[in-house]
This record gives sequence, C-alpha cells and structure tokens, in this order.
Amino acid sequence: EPEVTQTPSHQVTQMGQEVILRCVPISNHLYFYWYRQILGQKVEFLVSFYNNEISEKSEIFDDQFSVERPDGSNFTLKIRSTKLEDSAMYFCASRLGQASYEQYFGPGTRLTVT
Amino acid sequence: KQEVTQIPAALSVPEGENLVLNCSFTDSAIYNLQWFRQDPGKGLTSLLLIQSSQREQTSGRLNASLDKSSGRSTLYIAASQPGDSATYLCAVSIGRDDKIIFGKGTRLHILP
Repeated sequence: EPEVTQTPSHQVTQMGQEVILRCVPISNHLYFYWYRQILGQKVEFLVSFYNNEISEKSEIFDDQFSVERPDGSNFTLKIRSTKLEDSAMYFCASRLGQASYEQYFGPGTRLTVT
Repeated sequence: KQEVTQIPAALSVPEGENLVLNCSFTDSAIYNLQWFRQDPGKGLTSLLLIQSSQREQTSGRLNASLDKSSGRSTLYIAASQPGDSATYLCAVSIGRDDKIIFGKGTRLHILP
C-alpha cells in the first residue's frame, strides 16, 4: 500500500542552523501539508501546498519557514535559523485531490534543537 | 475560531470491554471529521473519516458517529484488545483543501 515517507526520522541541530525536512508524498496526490507536534501538545497545522504554491499557512509559519516541491516526488520544509522552540515532531501529509478528503500522514521527523 | 476538545484525556479499561471516546468541536461548519490513532513516538494512522453529510462510519470493531449540529463525535471501540492501546485523536477539516484542526487526544490503555 502506498505511504508517505519522511527523512530523516530524527534530526539534531544547533540553534541558528538551517534544517531541511524531507517528505515523499503518495505519488498521485496533489495536496501536501506540514504539521508539527510539540511534545505533549496538540498536532498543529503549519502549511498547505497545492499547484506549486502555498494554499494556506498558520501564524506559526513565519519568514523562517519555507516549503518547496523541487521535483515531482519530494516536498520539503526548510527552517532557516532554528530556535529551541522549533523542537517538535514534524509530520508531512498528502491528499489525493478534490474528490478525496482523507489526509495520509507520514511517520514524522523528530527535530531536536540544542 | 475552531476548537476541538476530547474527553477523557486518559482512559484505562479491562480487555474485552466496549468503550466510547468523545470529541466536541465549537464550530459546526466542518467539512469532515477524522479519527486517528497515534502510537508513542510514531506517526498518525487514519482510522475513520466522516463527511459532514454522513452520520457514521464503521471499520471492523470501530464505529464513529457525527452529530454536526451539536458539534459532537464519538468513537466506539467494541471488544477492546491490548493492541488498541494508543492515543486517539479527533480532527476536523473546515474546508476542501484546508487545514485539519486536532484535539489533544485520549490516551487509551487496555488492561490485559
């Protein structure tokens, strides 16, 4: 069964460094999302992406964040200058299209900022 | 602003019992509602999705109901098993390609 994959599973970085989290959505899906979950808290929406542009972003998704679909398979989340409070589990999700509303989630990348 | 609340926050029941997890949301203008399962340190597995026009969905031992007008959903798990132990998340979508808003989850522990 097709699934969303994410790499790396765990990333440790120092404060101020740039990180890129990678996702490979399900191959024929058209809508892509990033969410994050700080330890012990709710899963929070970051950004949605469709037709090579951002559809919506939350107030968390400030100028330090960016997303890209550099080729036909990858979907990346970049944090330019990480802060301690960026430490969280980051989930990528994808959805097939207009007639299919279920979002499929990847296993997540645990980001630890020291 | 849409808020999703799940009660109880944690639940322990003996194996074999039927149980109900509750979810409420503040704005009834939802597009659909999903129940997810999350194992410790793992990703999110979608269990059931109910469109706003539907009243319930069933998958195996799981049954989810939706009462949009009152802003409530329940997840019924029949004949619980130790493998059902996990955190169950309720989430609503408020648009076709819009974000999902999650509740904090109910941490379920099935006692062998």
